Amino acid sequence: NAGVMQNPRHLVRRRGQEARLRCSPMKGHSHVYWYRQLPEEGLKFMVYLQKENIIDESGMPKERFSAEFPKEGPSILRIQQVVRGDSAAYFCASSPRDIAGQFFGPGTRLTVL
Amino acid sequence: DQQVKQNSPSLSVQEGRISILNCDYTNSMFDYFLWYKKYPAEGPTFLISISSIKDKNEDGRFTVFLNKSAKHLSLHIVPSQPGDSAVYFCAAITWQGAQKLVFGQGTRLTINP
Repeated sequence: NAGVMQNPRHLVRRRGQEARLRCSPMKGHSHVYWYRQLPEEGLKFMVYLQKENIIDESGMPKERFSAEFPKEGPSILRIQQVVRGDSAAYFCASSPRDIAGQFFGPGTRLTVL
Repeated sequence: DQQVKQNSPSLSVQEGRISILNCDYTNSMFDYFLWYKKYPAEGPTFLISISSIKDKNEDGRFTVFLNKSAKHLSLHIVPSQPGDSAVYFCAAITWQGAQKLVFGQGTRLTINP
């Protein structure tokens, strides 16, 4: 059973470009979470999605950030017009229904030049 | 507002001795606490958890203690092994609404031979 997959592992963007981060949950998992880790800090919750629904986006910045989890395909975290402060590691986690344990992917390290 | 705090950024322990990692929290509504281990360039890996109705949970070399009155939990690793060298994150969750994990800042554990 493959774990949570994230791609790309590393992404370099110039200021003003768009970044798209992909997450494929573990097989059978219908809940996806995105977290961001800034240097020397813990992970901060961004958004929680189920298939075709955003359940909680209380941790998402109000502008430039969006997330989706379509019926088919991976979950996408999209950052428009990136700025240097967006440089961070972005982790996706998935969980099966009604179980607390979240399984994390390896993360995407975004660098904004 | 840092609801989960790990006040020790780093800890160094001799191989074979006990490692004790500490975590404090402020939100009395947390229902569940988890410890994650993280190696560089990888996602966090679930280690052990404890429900708020318990005060101890043990799994092999790992034991988590919860003191609700002090809003404090700790992870004990005994005996410590070189492979335990990693960053350890304490996390907490409430069952209200989404299962979003609230993480501490992490403690870097180094096991010396």
